[in-house]
Amino acid sequence: NAGVTQTPKFQVLKTGQSMTLQCAQDMNHNSMYWYRQDPGMGLRLIYYSASEGTTDKGEVPNGYNVSRLNKREFSLRLESAAPSQTSVYFCASSELRGRFTGELFFGEGSRLTVL
Amino acid sequence: AQTVTQSQPEMSVQEAETVTLSCTYDTSESDYYLFWYKQPPSRQMILVIRQEAYKQQNATENRFSVNFQKAAKSFSLKISDSQLGDAAMYFCAYRSAVGNTDKLIFGTGTRLQVFP
Repeated sequence: NAGVTQTPKFQVLKTGQSMTLQCAQDMNHNSMYWYRQDPGMGLRLIYYSASEGTTDKGEVPNGYNVSRLNKREFSLRLESAAPSQTSVYFCASSELRGRFTGELFFGEGSRLTVL
Repeated sequence: AQTVTQSQPEMSVQEAETVTLSCTYDTSESDYYLFWYKQPPSRQMILVIRQEAYKQQNATENRFSVNFQKAAKSFSLKISDSQLGDAAMYFCAYRSAVGNTDKLIFGTGTRLQVFP
């Protein structure tokens, strides 16, 4: 049972290049999220998907697009990478149980450097 | 908008001792959830403990307990009998009780060092 799997784990891009971060979960969760983690700023929500077929902006969506391909997969795309997007990106998933849970299951993170 | 503040960028503790990590939050909501997440050097975040705002009793999970002061909007984490494996970044997080997703608002984190 792999949980949440992110690829790639490391990537170096040049300014203006595009790339897609892939995320897949095998826990049959309805909701998925993309966060970025920067030193001194904690984790900030980029986009989320409450269920298959829906996506919504989080706190810092500019410069990113997402696709909820199916229930398992939620990808994050940088169309034209900028140095400000250098960060560690985390995918997470969750499933509401009972009233609410708030337990996110995280991937191991993807370290992206934009030169 | 809700905010979460962790004012201690770094803390240290000796093995077997007790340490308390601080967290304050700001919200106008009366019903919400608070969490502490741990991020070890491996980077993968895991849930440590959860508190529901409508419950007055402080949550406990083995060596981890919280001091939830709703009026003061304070939510501290106490780690008892600290172990070397407790060394990690700890994030406080807030979730509104409204909504159908687990969107969390995180603090900036506290790095905990544990010395033998």
